[in-house]
Amino acid sequence: GAGVSQTPSNKVTEKGKYVELRCDPISGHTALYWYRQSLGQGPEFLIYFQGTGAADDSGLPNDRFFAVRPEGSVSTLKIQRTERGDSAVYLCASSRNRGDEQYFGPGTRLTVT
Amino acid sequence: GENVEQHPSTLSVQEGDSAVIKCTYSDSASNYFPWYKQELGKGPQLIIDIRSNVGEKKDQRIAVTLNKTAKHFSLHITETQPEDSAVYFCAPTQETSGSRLTFGEGTQLTVNP
Repeated sequence: GAGVSQTPSNKVTEKGKYVELRCDPISGHTALYWYRQSLGQGPEFLIYFQGTGAADDSGLPNDRFFAVRPEGSVSTLKIQRTERGDSAVYLCASSRNRGDEQYFGPGTRLTVT
Repeated sequence: GENVEQHPSTLSVQEGDSAVIKCTYSDSASNYFPWYKQELGKGPQLIIDIRSNVGEKKDQRIAVTLNKTAKHFSLHITETQPEDSAVYFCAPTQETSGSRLTFGEGTQLTVNP
């Protein structure tokens, strides 16, 4: 079946611009996670949704980062006033329920110039 | 928070040899110990996991051993093949944390034909 999909696969933006990154989880998965992976590093947790609500947003680095999941399926990660340090691969994962195996998407590579 | 270290950071073996990667963690409350494989341009994929009430688990050529007292666990790959070449991450986790994963920095495994 279809796995987790993320769009776009690549995004280049200028410093100071606003970007939105989209995640389509596996159908029926109630839990959704966002991670950020810098070059040569392991993924770092950003935020976790259970259904429509953000159950844990403690990994968001600052208030420029925001994520939504209005219908409990697709999620959008929003970054305002992008900075060069935001350049990374943004990974989305979903699991059937909290505590189940997390299935990762291929990621969106964000480059801020 | 959890402090996770992986060793070695790079590992090169000949096809057919064994490979061992060690993960050391700091949080004694961690009770779930997965290993992920990440190929170039893809998201991490769970390859094996173990919970704290078990000392060893094997799945064909892959095994994981856990030493909870010493706070480390290891990934063992036998009869390595070129397609095993990838970056491997450990992610020791407290399951009650909502399953947010804390990844190590990764080990680049290269299997030479």
